Amino acid sequence: GAGVSQSPRYKVAKRGQDVALRCDPISGHVSLFWYQQALGQGPEFLTYFQNEAQLDKSGLPSDRFFAERPEGSVSTLKIQRTQQEDSAVYLCASSLAPGLAGGGKAHEQFFGPGTRLTVL
Amino acid sequence: DQQVKQNSPSLSVQEGRISILNCDYTNSMFDYFLWYKKYPAEGPTFLISISSIKDKNEDGRFTVFLNKSAKHLSLHIVPSQPGDSAVYFCAASVGSNFGNEKLTFGTGTRLTIIP
Repeated sequence: GAGVSQSPRYKVAKRGQDVALRCDPISGHVSLFWYQQALGQGPEFLTYFQNEAQLDKSGLPSDRFFAERPEGSVSTLKIQRTQQEDSAVYLCASSLAPGLAGGGKAHEQFFGPGTRLTVL
Repeated sequence: DQQVKQNSPSLSVQEGRISILNCDYTNSMFDYFLWYKKYPAEGPTFLISISSIKDKNEDGRFTVFLNKSAKHLSLHIVPSQPGDSAVYFCAASVGSNFGNEKLTFGTGTRLTIIP
């Protein structure tokens, strides 16, 4: 498909279990973002990659969260020893390039459908 | 500390009338603003954006207005159609942030268009 895909779409984990969430960005997109959306809230930034380089991880809530994009395309968000407060929808977004697209516009971020994580 | 605020959790509008969704921000470093639309079980979809060098941007039925002195923006949809029923998120970024256009989102407004 042409859009951003994420897998799995739904994940149920027992507290203490490790999980891995996958994001396939649009081919050729340089920038990749992960966001966390809790119930009734807007998405919150977690981390940003430019190709394979993780340039900003200021939004990761704890050292249990780890993200990688080793070849500059597919990205994985890993959560170790999951807690109930980790329950949320995890959204991945990609955009063509960093910086401005011209005309004062930024490159649009295209979002995937998200992975809904429920920690019991 | 909510840097982007959408104070109306929901809004109902008659089909054909104008829908006005509001958003306030506190961070004066924000210089690029976007509206996203979200249907259930889907990711947000980009709708329209505006740079801080402008005060209005129009795209078909959608117009975004920016009032920098008041740190306020609004999205106007006219005429409203049933397919516009969705959750709308206001988002902001620091466009000059060396290409890291991470978005700060509001909490969303659920718009319902009444046929």
